[in-house]
Amino acid sequence: GENVEQHPSTLSVQEGDSAVIKCTYSDSASNYFPWYKQELGKRPQLIIDIRSNVGEKKDQRIAVTLNKTAKHFSLHITETQPEDSAVYFCAASTGANSKLTFGKGITLSVRP
Amino acid sequence: DTEVTQTPKHLVMGMTNKKSLKCEQHMGHRAMYWYKQKAKKPPELMFVYSYEKLSINESVPSRFSPECPNSSLLNLHLHALQPEDSALYLCASSLLGQREKLFFGSGTQLSVL
Repeated sequence: GENVEQHPSTLSVQEGDSAVIKCTYSDSASNYFPWYKQELGKRPQLIIDIRSNVGEKKDQRIAVTLNKTAKHFSLHITETQPEDSAVYFCAASTGANSKLTFGKGITLSVRP
Repeated sequence: DTEVTQTPKHLVMGMTNKKSLKCEQHMGHRAMYWYKQKAKKPPELMFVYSYEKLSINESVPSRFSPECPNSSLLNLHLHALQPEDSALYLCASSLLGQREKLFFGSGTQLSVL
């Protein structure tokens, strides 16, 4: 089955700096890659996703890039703010009727 | 309504108790899910319902018993739980043709004493 690895497990950045979180996946059939943000005590929320026919997607301060050859995808957050502090989970799926495989999560801390 | 609502938000129960978690959505999603999440770990899939029928059971112990009475409601009945079952229990829903796009509820934080 699919295996999603997420590195690093913690990341601390200064407010205003950029943060990059990288995930690798094992199943070349995976074609959908969402990112979830989970603040302390709250639900995981989908913040951005990308399909395998696209190399990059951007939404305001966040972007996701996908490298199918290397089987990795990354979340980029620019101009980080304290409210970006949360646990971020990447995930992968092989199709609309397949379950999501989550990475272990990374705790992002943005220092004011 | 674009929310998945879960009740209760917090639950403390003893190992001999019977309790139920409830989940409701009115987005017309015909796939509903139960996930278990330990602190700072990813959600772990427990059950999937499609058209109100159980389609996936991820080898969950029988002390967890799911139920889908209609297309909007999902329950999780709990009986004789163990302290290691303490976790955040998340309900989620999705369109059947978009199972990878999950809408999560806020969860029930369960403590088993």
